[in-house]
Amino acid sequence: QSALTQPPSASGSPGQSVTISCTGTSSDVGGYNYVSWYQQYSGKAPKLMIYDVSKRPSGVPDRFSGSKSGNTASLTVSGLQAEDEADYYCSSFAGYNSLVVFGGGTKLTVL
Amino acid sequence: EVQLVESGGGLVQRGGSLRLSCAASGFNFNAYAMHWVRQAPGKGLEYVSAISRNGDSTYYGNSMKGRFTISRDNSKNTLYLQMDTLRVEDMAMYYCARDQDGSASYYDYWGQGTLVTVSS
Repeated sequence: QSALTQPPSASGSPGQSVTISCTGTSSDVGGYNYVSWYQQYSGKAPKLMIYDVSKRPSGVPDRFSGSKSGNTASLTVSGLQAEDEADYYCSSFAGYNSLVVFGGGTKLTVL
Repeated sequence: EVQLVESGGGLVQRGGSLRLSCAASGFNFNAYAMHWVRQAPGKGLEYVSAISRNGDSTYYGNSMKGRFTISRDNSKNTLYLQMDTLRVEDMAMYYCARDQDGSASYYDYWGQGTLVTVSS
C-alpha cells in the first residue's frame, strides 16, 4: 500500500480536461509545498512534470498544471492529447524520517 | 547534457548481495544530493535511499534500513547502492535520480534504471 493515494485510472477524450488526485496526510502533502508529479511511459524512466505543487519545468506544456488543497494535491491535464496517455505518479516530501513518499500511480487513458 | 547511467543490476539469489552504480555526467555532481528509487515489475515507484552532497547524511526507506548502504565518490562522479540480504520483494528496476535542490522535494533527472532480479 502506497503512502499517497491516487485513483488507479483516469480517462478523457482528446481536447478534454482530466484531473488526477493525490491524497496524503498533514505529515506529507498537507505539511509541505513539496508535491511533485511524474509522467512515465511503459518501459521508460519517469519524467518530472510538476514540482513544488504547481511549478512546471521548462519544456513541459502549459496544459499540465498542479494544485493543492489541504492534504490533497491534484494534477490537471487540459486539452488532452494522445501523447498524454501514460502513468502519472505524485510524490511528496514527508519529513526527515520518511523523506519521500509516492502515490501508487494513475494510468491515464486518452479515449 | 545531464546524464545518469546505472549499472550493476542482475540476477542474484535470495540472501545475496549486489552493488549498483550510477555514473553522472553533464553537471557538477558534488553540488547535488542524490537518491535511489525503485519500481517492482508492474508496480509503482518506491523511495529507497538518499545521500547528501558530501555524503555525510544518508536516509533509507523503512524496509531497506540495515540492509542497504548508499554512498558516493565525488571524485568519480558516481553514486552507489550496496544491497545485502536481498529479498524476493527487492526485485525491481532501480533508478538513480538527482535531487534538484537538496531538499528531497523533487527529482529533475532520472537514469534509465538497472534491473535487479532476486531468485528464491
